Amino acid sequence: AQSVSQHNHHVILSEAASLELGCNYSYGGTVNLFWYVQYPGQHLQLLLKYFSGDPLVKGIKGFEAEFIKSKFSFNLRKPSVQWSDTAEYFCAALKVDSGYSTLTFGKGTMLLVSP
Amino acid sequence: DAMVIQNPRYQVTQFGKPVTLSCSQTLNHNVMYWYQQKSSQAPKLLFHYYDKDFNNEADTPDNFQSRRPNTSFCFLDIRSPGLGDAAMYLCATSRGIGTEAFFGQGTRLTVV
Repeated sequence: AQSVSQHNHHVILSEAASLELGCNYSYGGTVNLFWYVQYPGQHLQLLLKYFSGDPLVKGIKGFEAEFIKSKFSFNLRKPSVQWSDTAEYFCAALKVDSGYSTLTFGKGTMLLVSP
Repeated sequence: DAMVIQNPRYQVTQFGKPVTLSCSQTLNHNVMYWYQQKSSQAPKLLFHYYDKDFNNEADTPDNFQSRRPNTSFCFLDIRSPGLGDAAMYLCATSRGIGTEAFFGQGTRLTVV
């Protein structure tokens, strides 16, 4: 069965610090990768996605992620975080089977950015 | 503008009393999903519809059922809620295979 692992459950950073959140997936077939963000009291929103092509993808709000196939990883990065980045971040992998697609989430990483 | 709408945002139900959560979408997407998310856990897929084709995850309890009467609406029925079913229930849609999912704001279910 497919699984997605996120390395840290909680991360605390000061503003302007650099961020890297780890994500590994277990599925060896065709998989699309996503990072979602959930701000307090809001719904899950897409930050960025990787389907194919350039393994370094850029998303909204200055976030980027790098797909490393050999490591089954899709780590999220941001050079300088802001207080408004406080949120929960979920990595997700979408297994592409014949006719259907199912999205599997990691457990999430709660990021707290202190001003 | 909300594209995936879940009602209600908060639902309180009695132990054992059937409850229905609803989801509607304005995106005309083929796929609709229901996820259960408990505190500090990953959203867990319960089932999904690809058009009218229903796909149940192997470990989804029989207590959970779903209906999709048309493209726009999908319902989650919990026949006999237990205390362990208290969670956030997320509805999501996607256009098709391998595409991104769009989420509603969720319904937080409390069982008393």
